[in-house]
Amino acid sequence: EVQLLESGGNLVQPGGSLRLSCAASEFTFSSYAMNWVRQAPGKGLEWVSVVSGSGGTTYYTASVKGRFTISRDNTKNTLYLQMNSLRDEDTAIYYCARGLVTGTTRVSAFDIWGQGTMVTVSS
Amino acid sequence: QSVLTQPPSASGTPGQRVTISCSGSNSNIGSNTVNWYQQLPGTAPKLLIYNNNQRPSGVPDRFSGSKSGTSASLAISGLQSEDEADYYCAAWDDSLRGVFGGGTRLTVL
Repeated sequence: EVQLLESGGNLVQPGGSLRLSCAASEFTFSSYAMNWVRQAPGKGLEWVSVVSGSGGTTYYTASVKGRFTISRDNTKNTLYLQMNSLRDEDTAIYYCARGLVTGTTRVSAFDIWGQGTMVTVSS
Repeated sequence: QSVLTQPPSASGTPGQRVTISCSGSNSNIGSNTVNWYQQLPGTAPKLLIYNNNQRPSGVPDRFSGSKSGTSASLAISGLQSEDEADYYCAAWDDSLRGVFGGGTRLTVL
């Protein structure tokens, strides 16, 4: 079964760091752009970042640019999100999601989602 | 404040047809395709409509999407109790980011 499984969420103090992982299975991981989407408690969805299949192209939402880094290891079928200088407003469930269309990062159609991992930023 | 604008709530009775609107701008909906997601309580979002009006395998044909200019709509016909959920529109923006609507909570009365 095609699947994404996130891990790494935790409680962290403001200014701290955290690395999220997303393990993919049962599809050709390197063919697809991969995204992170977050949802603050009781709020809507917010796109965070995307990385191309090769890892060579990345885009970020403005509020995380310079603080978060998306990357992938295609030999391990794993997506990452390195989060530094964390703020209260980064508290959310973080989902990894597969881009529907191969060969491009500029899509907002995500056909496979993980179950999410909770990040809480609080002192 | 979300880049795409949706009504916060919608409602209908079983069997009815309801529509949810999504308004954007030339840099997102006006120049890129629109996608819709359904999120049931406590679960991850599910792709409902892609490329403005295409349904992934397994999505009932009661769900349909359309786009005109800088706006899009999701229509649900033959409303059922299990359709009660949050619905989000999404598009790529030419400023090189993905954007979502704020979400619409659908209540089946």
